[in-house]
Amino acid sequence: EVQLLDSGGGLVQPGGSLRLSCAASGFTFSSYAMSWVRQAPGKGLEWVSGISGSGGTSGSTYYADSVKGRFTISRDNSKNTLHLQMNSLRAEDTAVYYCAKHGGDRCYSSVDYWGQGTLVTVSS
Amino acid sequence: DIVMTQSPDSLAVSLGERATINCKSSQSVLYISNNKNYLAWYQQKPGQPPKLLIFWASTRESGVPDRFSGSGSGTDFTLTISSLQAEDVAIYYCQQYFITPCTFGQGTKLDIK
Repeated sequence: EVQLLDSGGGLVQPGGSLRLSCAASGFTFSSYAMSWVRQAPGKGLEWVSGISGSGGTSGSTYYADSVKGRFTISRDNSKNTLHLQMNSLRAEDTAVYYCAKHGGDRCYSSVDYWGQGTLVTVSS
Repeated sequence: DIVMTQSPDSLAVSLGERATINCKSSQSVLYISNNKNYLAWYQQKPGQPPKLLIFWASTRESGVPDRFSGSGSGTDFTLTISSLQAEDVAIYYCQQYFITPCTFGQGTKLDIK
C-alpha cells in the first residue's frame, strides 16, 4: 500500500525557514517523480515544486515562479524521503503542503497518491 | 504558464441526475507525438487530500466508479458524473501536466440540490 507521511510544518515568522519532509513507502520511491502541492486556507490547489525520478532526467527539479529562489526540493532515494527546504517565508506561503507522487518518472504525469498534508503558518 | 479555467464555480444537482463540469486551458495540452491530452481531474472532500479520478483526460483511475467520465481534447475538457450520489459532494479540480508549472483550475464546488 502506498503511503506518504508529510511532516515538518508549523508556525514560523516572516523571513524564517522551515524544512518539510515526506516519508514514502509501498512503492519503488526512486522510480517516480514527486511534487509538493499547497492549499492556502479556503483556497484552491497550487503546484509548488517537482522532482523527477530515475531515468534520463533523474533528479531534475521544477518550481513555481512564486517560490523560485526561495524553496528547494530534494530527494533521498536511500531513505525514501522527499524534502522541501523553504527559506525567506512570507505570509502568502501559509498553506497546507501536500506531498504528491506522480504516476511516472517525470513531472509530466498525473498525481496518483497524496499525503495527508502538513500545515505551514507564516505569521509574527 | 498555462491558465486553467473551470466552469461553473459551483453547481447543485439533484440525486441521480447528471453533473457536468467544464475545464478550459489557455493553450493546447495535447501532445501530438503520442496523441495524449495531459489533463487530470481530482476530487477533494472537506478535510481530505485530493483524489485522482481521471488522467490522460479520459482514463478512469482504478477503483473510481464508472459514473465518472472525462472527455475532451486540446483545450476543452469535461468531467461528467452520470448519476449523482450523495458521496460525490466535493470540490473538483482539473490540472494540466503538459508543462511546468502544472497548473490547476480554480475548482468547482458540487452540492446536492
